[in-house]
Amino acid sequence: AQTVTQSQPEMSVQEAETVTLSCTYDTSENNYYLFWYKQPPSRQMILVIRQEAYKQQNATENRFSVNFQKAAKSFSLKISDSQLGDTAMYFCAFQGAQKLVFGQGTRLTINP
Amino acid sequence: AAGVIQSPRHLIKEKRETATLKCYPIPRHDTVYWYQQGPGQDPQFLISFYEKMQSDKGSIPDRFSAQQFSDYHSELNMSSLELGDSALYFCASSPQGYASGNTIYFGEGSWLTVV
Repeated sequence: AQTVTQSQPEMSVQEAETVTLSCTYDTSENNYYLFWYKQPPSRQMILVIRQEAYKQQNATENRFSVNFQKAAKSFSLKISDSQLGDTAMYFCAFQGAQKLVFGQGTRLTINP
Repeated sequence: AAGVIQSPRHLIKEKRETATLKCYPIPRHDTVYWYQQGPGQDPQFLISFYEKMQSDKGSIPDRFSAQQFSDYHSELNMSSLELGDSALYFCASSPQGYASGNTIYFGEGSWLTVV
């Protein structure tokens, strides 16, 4: 079974700083997809960014980018120029031939 | 753009009662997923449907059942409710099943409180 591990339960940075959230996963599959979801205090689950495993190029969405290291099974999220609205729980998720599996989450706080 | 619609948004039930949650997927999405998120927990997969057939099953209690209807909406039925069933229940949808790699979009969730 696939597992997703987020080793940072909580992180806190100042507004405008850059922060990187870590995620590792374990799978024997070769074709899969990786996601970062954001869950603000409203508890809505919002897609931040998506990466296809067969693509070597790291995905980027405005201030959000990933560092995808397939051999190391690592998928970190970098948030540049962090904003107060980025404060949320961030979940890394893996999707292979079966269901979407989430990591334990990282609670990110952006301080003014 | 249309999103996944869940109802009701909040529900309070007593122990041993029954509850039904409804989910309306994004138009043209044929796959529906149900997740349960307890306090301070990550979402746990319950069950999924593709083209009105159950496609995968996770840690769903026997007291729970679900189905997807001809219009692709789905309902999660929970009976003999227990205090531990109190959680946020997410419905999500995607086109063509999860193996296709299409992004799964989540609804805003239904809060169930069992007292």
